[in-house]
This record gives sequence, structure tokens and C-alpha cells, in this order.
Amino acid sequence: DVKVTQSSRYLVKRTGEKVFLECVQDMDHENMFWYRQDPGLGLRLIYFSYDVKMKEKGDIPEGYSVSREKKERFSLILESASTNQTSMYLCASNRGAIGGNQPQHFGDGTRLSIL
Amino acid sequence: AQSVTQPDIHITVSEGASLELRCNYSYGATPYLFWYVQSPGQGLQLLLKYFSGDTLVQGIKGFEAEFKRSQSSFNLRKPSVHWSDAAEYFCAVGGNTGGFKTIFGAGTRLFVKA
Repeated sequence: DVKVTQSSRYLVKRTGEKVFLECVQDMDHENMFWYRQDPGLGLRLIYFSYDVKMKEKGDIPEGYSVSREKKERFSLILESASTNQTSMYLCASNRGAIGGNQPQHFGDGTRLSIL
Repeated sequence: AQSVTQPDIHITVSEGASLELRCNYSYGATPYLFWYVQSPGQGLQLLLKYFSGDTLVQGIKGFEAEFKRSQSSFNLRKPSVHWSDAAEYFCAVGGNTGGFKTIFGAGTRLFVKA
């Protein structure tokens, strides 16, 4: 069974800090995604990656960056955390050259609070 | 533009009653449709998917969904709801022309009363 593991379930950081959220998948999936989830807004795509060292912006990339040095690991970086980045962050992965036609497998999320 | 609309923000049903969650989509090509469920404090889990063929698809936990192309709908149903079905449900659409993206609806939160 596919497992997507996010390194932290809960995280509290201060404004201005550089924050790293880590995600690892164990099924050799080509594609990995980072979303943020806010009440009433559903899931919004921040960044995705379709191969090692390849990345593309999603719908709300401002204030974030990503890193994919190995196929199984996809990191989300908040360069200088701000209070409006307090949210639930979800990592997901799937396979295929065209990821939009495949279901995604999700981690349990990281609830991030910026104080 | 590609979009998914879930008209109901929340729904309350009695345990044992039937359930229908609505989903309408807009997609410029053949849609690939998904329903996911999110229990409190957890990530999303795939309930079912529709790619082609029979327009009534069966999923896990006794759920089913019907694809109606003429109505651009993909409604989720369950004949008898259990208290453990209380969760948030997300409809999503993707496809071969949208690249890697999957478009998610805003979700419907289901409450189950005893």
C-alpha cells in the first residue's frame, strides 16, 4: 500500500523563520504535490514536481519554494514565515506522465501555526 | 475554465438514512473524476474514481457515484449512512489535457446524527 509520510503532524514557528516541511513517499511515484487546506477554500496547489529536480508553480506559490533532490522526497520551504501561512499543509503523490488522470495518495498533513 | 463545484458546504443526515453529495464540474475534455474522504486530523483517502465505461462506479465503504455527462455531474451516494461516515468529502476532476493538475472542490462536511 502506498504510504506518504509527512515529517510533522503539528508545527509551531515564529514570523520570519525559515520553515521546512518534509514529505516522503515509498512507491516510486514520479509526481509529488504540496497543497494548503483552509476552511471553505478546499485544497489549493502550491507547487508540484514531476521528476527529480523538476518543479512547477501551482496556484499559490508566493512565499514558498520547494526542493526535490531525490525521487521519494519533496520538501516545502517557507522562506520567511508569516502569520497568513498558518494552515494545514498536505503532501500527495501519484504516478504517470500525465498526473491529472491518476488518483493522488495523501499524507496525514502538517498543521502549521505561525506566531 | 476547469472547476469543481460542491454546492453544499455541510449536510446533516440521520444514521441509517440515505446520502447524496452533489458535485458539478467544468472540464474542457474527457474528465477523470474522483471522490475523496477526509476524516478529522487525517489526509484525503480515495473513495472511488471514474475514467470511462459504466457510468455507475462502486467504491470503498459502500459508496457509489454516478457520472452524468449531460449534467456535468458526479454525485456520491450511499444507501445507509453510518456514524463513522462523518467526515469531509471532496470531489475532484483531472484528465489528459490538464497536465498534472487535479482540481478539487471546496468540500462538503457530513454530520451524522444518532
